[in-house]
Amino acid sequence: AQSVTQLDSQVPVFEEAPVELRCNYSSSVSVYLFWYVQYPNQGLQLLLKYLSGSTLVKGINGFEAEFNKSQTSFHLRKPSVHISDTAEYFCAVRPIAGNTGKLIFGQGTTLQVKP
Amino acid sequence: NAGVTQTPKFRILKIGQSMTLQCTQDMNHNYMYWYRQDPGMGLKLIYYSVGAGITDKGEVPNGYNVSRSTTEDFPLRLELAAPSQTSVYFCATTTIQGGNTEAFFGQGTRLTVV
Repeated sequence: AQSVTQLDSQVPVFEEAPVELRCNYSSSVSVYLFWYVQYPNQGLQLLLKYLSGSTLVKGINGFEAEFNKSQTSFHLRKPSVHISDTAEYFCAVRPIAGNTGKLIFGQGTTLQVKP
Repeated sequence: NAGVTQTPKFRILKIGQSMTLQCTQDMNHNYMYWYRQDPGMGLKLIYYSVGAGITDKGEVPNGYNVSRSTTEDFPLRLELAAPSQTSVYFCATTTIQGGNTEAFFGQGTRLTVV
């Protein structure tokens, strides 16, 4: 079984400051890792994903994340946030083996960017 | 391409009423999912389907039913609505062919049961 823990439910930050949203996971099998973003009253859209290879992955809107296998973490970072980054962010995993494509989500982190 | 379309966007139901949440995709994906989103809980999988005629339970299936008669449509049925089913419901699709891993989500259906 898999589980995902997002360590912060809310992260307030001032505009142009750096931000890190933390994600830890637990799994007995190898997984793909994802970050999704949900803007107010919208569906989820993919920010970035880690499948294999380089542990530092870059996504849309200037976000990046680093996969750390030993710490089973996949933290999301942005060096300078904008007001428009205010949204809810979800970390998710998906088992590599198997044929269901099911995603297991964390609880979500609300990023509040203040002017 | 519309992607994944959910209807309705909003609905208020009375306890004991029934309704069907519609989900249609034009991406020709075999895999479809229904999730519910509750504050502070993330998204939980209700049901999923790996192709027409094949469905299976997810993590929280009680009180729901699904069918998959075509590749495009994956409706979610609530037979006897309960306040615990107040939530935001998301339909999603993906394909795992060719190493594709991205899931595509609809805009959601916000359901309130009173």
